[in-house]
Amino acid sequence: AQTVTQSQPEMSVQEAETVTLSCTYDTSENNYYLFWYKQPPSRQMILVIRQEAYKQQNATENRFSVNFQKAAKSFSLKISDSQLGDTAMYFCAFMKLEGAQKLVFGQGTRLTINP
Amino acid sequence: GAGVSQTPSNKVTEKGKYVELRCDPISGHTALYWYRQSLGQGPEFLIYFQGTGAADDSGLPNDRFFAVRPEGSVSTLKIQRTERGDSAVYLCASSFVRGNEQFFGPGTRLTVL
Repeated sequence: AQTVTQSQPEMSVQEAETVTLSCTYDTSENNYYLFWYKQPPSRQMILVIRQEAYKQQNATENRFSVNFQKAAKSFSLKISDSQLGDTAMYFCAFMKLEGAQKLVFGQGTRLTINP
Repeated sequence: GAGVSQTPSNKVTEKGKYVELRCDPISGHTALYWYRQSLGQGPEFLIYFQGTGAADDSGLPNDRFFAVRPEGSVSTLKIQRTERGDSAVYLCASSFVRGNEQFFGPGTRLTVL
């Protein structure tokens, strides 16, 4: 079974700073996807960024980028020029490509951006 | 609507009662997932539908939980003889085909007194 671990329950930074959220995972699969989801107080999970394991190049989406280290099974999220609207819970998630393709989530990191 | 919708938004019930939670996926999405999110935790998989059939129900915690999707669109999660430990946010997600991005609904917060 796959497991996802987020070791930072809470983080807090000032607006415009850069912040990195950590995630490690455990799997014996070779083909899989990794995701970062954002969950604001409205409860709706929003996809932030996705990484295919077969791609060596790290994914980027505007101010969001990842550092994917496949051998180390590490998948961190970097948020540059943080904004007040980035305040939310962030979940790292794993999905293997076979079967139901269900998401396996970490415990989450509560990120607060201070003005 | 354009997104996944879930009703009700909040449900309060008493221990031992029966509840139904509804999910309306994005039109045309064939894959539908239910997850349960306990307080302070990440969502946990419950069941996956491909079309009308439950292709993977390995996450259902026990036989009090059941879900249907009779016409391949709307899905209903049914919980019998509710227990206080069933209190959680129940999230629904859909995707166009298996493997594509999963779009989540706003969830139903279930409170069992």
